[in-house]
Amino acid sequence: GQNIDQPTEMTATEGAIVQINCTYQTSGFNGLFWYQQHAGEAPTFLSYNVLDGLEEKGRFSSFLSRSKGYSYLLLKELQMKDSASYLCAVRDYNQGGKLIFGQGTELSVKP
Amino acid sequence: DTEVTQTPKHLVMGMTNKKSLKCEQHMGHRAMYWYKQKAKKPPELMFVYSYEKLSINESVPSRFSPECPNSSLLNLHLHALQPEDSALYLCASSQPGQGAYEQYFGPGTRLTVT
Repeated sequence: GQNIDQPTEMTATEGAIVQINCTYQTSGFNGLFWYQQHAGEAPTFLSYNVLDGLEEKGRFSSFLSRSKGYSYLLLKELQMKDSASYLCAVRDYNQGGKLIFGQGTELSVKP
Repeated sequence: DTEVTQTPKHLVMGMTNKKSLKCEQHMGHRAMYWYKQKAKKPPELMFVYSYEKLSINESVPSRFSPECPNSSLLNLHLHALQPEDSALYLCASSQPGQGAYEQYFGPGTRLTVT
């Protein structure tokens, strides 16, 4: 089967750095996605990792270790607008390539 | 144009009504998806269409009936729903296959079943 774990909630201060972890177990790993979702809005794509290492995109970076079944999303220079839910999703080729979502991490950025 | 549009934004329907949700994209994507999302939960996959053919049905009750009339449009026909079906219904699209293809989500339809 598959299992994706991420913390339910995190709080951080404006201007700081926060790391949101995601661990997964899947039989047919074929990529990991991070999405951001503000309350009442659609998820928006942040990053994609399929090989080990760090992918950097402006203030956001995502890391993957396939051997450890582990990823993190790093948000730097936090802004109030970064308060949102962050969804880790793994694609499983044994399940037709569909995305398996974690429960999401609700991030609150405080002044 | 990287937009997925969905209509209506909000829908209230009784348990005996028949209604349809609509989704449209013009990105040339050949895979389209329906998800259901409850509050504070992740999106839950319902259906996947690839090249206008239904490729995944996640054991969704038959009161939900998807339709993909062409490569740009995706409908979800609703009939005899239950109050527990109240949720945000999200449409998404992507390139088909298992490459580095992110899914683009529409803004969703907020459905309330009374």
